Formats: sequence, structure tokens, C-alpha cells
Amino acid sequence: EAGVVQSPRYKIIEKKQPVAFWCNPISGHNTLYWYRQNLGQGPELLIRYENEEAVDDSQLPKDRFSAERLKGVDSTLKIQPAELGDSAVYLCASSLSQVTQYFGPGTRLLVL
Amino acid sequence: GQQLNQSPQSMFIQEGEDVSMNCTSSSIFNTWLWYKQEPGEGPVLLIALYKAGELTSNGRLTAQFGITRKDSFLNISASIPSDVGIYFCAGSLLKKTSGSRLTFGEGTQLTVNP
Repeated sequence: EAGVVQSPRYKIIEKKQPVAFWCNPISGHNTLYWYRQNLGQGPELLIRYENEEAVDDSQLPKDRFSAERLKGVDSTLKIQPAELGDSAVYLCASSLSQVTQYFGPGTRLLVL
Repeated sequence: GQQLNQSPQSMFIQEGEDVSMNCTSSSIFNTWLWYKQEPGEGPVLLIALYKAGELTSNGRLTAQFGITRKDSFLNISASIPSDVGIYFCAGSLLKKTSGSRLTFGEGTQLTVNP
């Protein structure tokens, strides 16, 4: 069984540029999560989807971050414009049970 | 909000030694998860605990869900070099309306000297 797939694995951009990350969850998992992980810290939830509905986006900085999961399968997280402080690892996870979450390898973003 | 204190922050041990790390929370959880993260990868689930007092093993790993529901510990016996990585605890309080939000500790960096 394939795991959670994310792309790109690495991204380097200049500040004020836009950037997008893509995630394909484990087949059949209806719940999808986006996390941000800063260096030396644990992941922090940005947004959670149940199928195509964003059911928990309270920690998503909505002035510059947006996400979508149009068909309830894969998802895109966008930052526009990026700031220096957005440098982090962006992790996607999926689950079937809502509790046991399986993570992808992450996208490492560096904003210069 | 909920906060998890994970300790120790780092450990340097010799191959063959046993390791113990723990997490404490300011509030109760009804699920505890332990993950391991290696450089350049996402966290990988090691053990899931769903019931207060539960003791679960996965090979050389053993984890327990504290009886107060505010803590959990992870033990690794007879460590080997491939145990190197960052170990995260995560707690969840499944809510009927908002679903499950995992709160992560800050991780324990484990180094094993051969």
C-alpha cells in the first residue's frame, strides 16, 4: 500500500513569492491534515479536511495561506506571498480513524 | 490550549542500553501516540494507546498510557544504532464536533553510539 505522497520535497523561493505544496493521501483515507513543523519542534496543525470540507482551519493564517481539497482526495496548500518566517517543513497526513494519522515525507521550504 | 512537555530533550547512549522518555500534559487525552522522525522524513507511527493504563509493545518498544490520562512514557530496550532519530509523543482528545486534533511534544533527540 502506498503511503502519503507529497511534492515537491524541497523548495527554495524568495520572500514575497507564491509557493504551493501538493499531497496525495493514502487511498481510502477520508481525513487529510496539513501541519507545519519548525526546526526543533513538533508538528502543528494548520488545517484538517473531512472529505472535501475543511472542518478545522482555526490555526491557518488566512491572510496568506489557503488550501483546497476539491474532490476529497488530493490537496494543495498555498502561501502567497511567502515571508521569511514561513521557512519550515510542511507535512501532510491522512487517517481513516481520525486518530491514527500517517504522515508523508514533507516539503522543506526555505524562504530567502 | 493543551501543552505537552516531553523529556528529556536529548539523550546520548551506548548501544545496548535501555532508553526511557516521557510526556506530560496540562490536560487529559484519550489517545496517546508515539512517532519517530528521521532526518528528511515525516514522523512514522510507532505505538498507539487508546485506554488509560494500557501497556503496549512493538518489538523492543514499550509504551504506557498513564492512569491519570495526562502522561505517557516510551521505553526502548537494548538500543541499536538505527534507533537514532527524534521521538515525538502526541495526544488527542477526540471531540464529537471538531474531530481529532493531535498535539505534539517537542521531541526527544536520541543518539546511539555504537
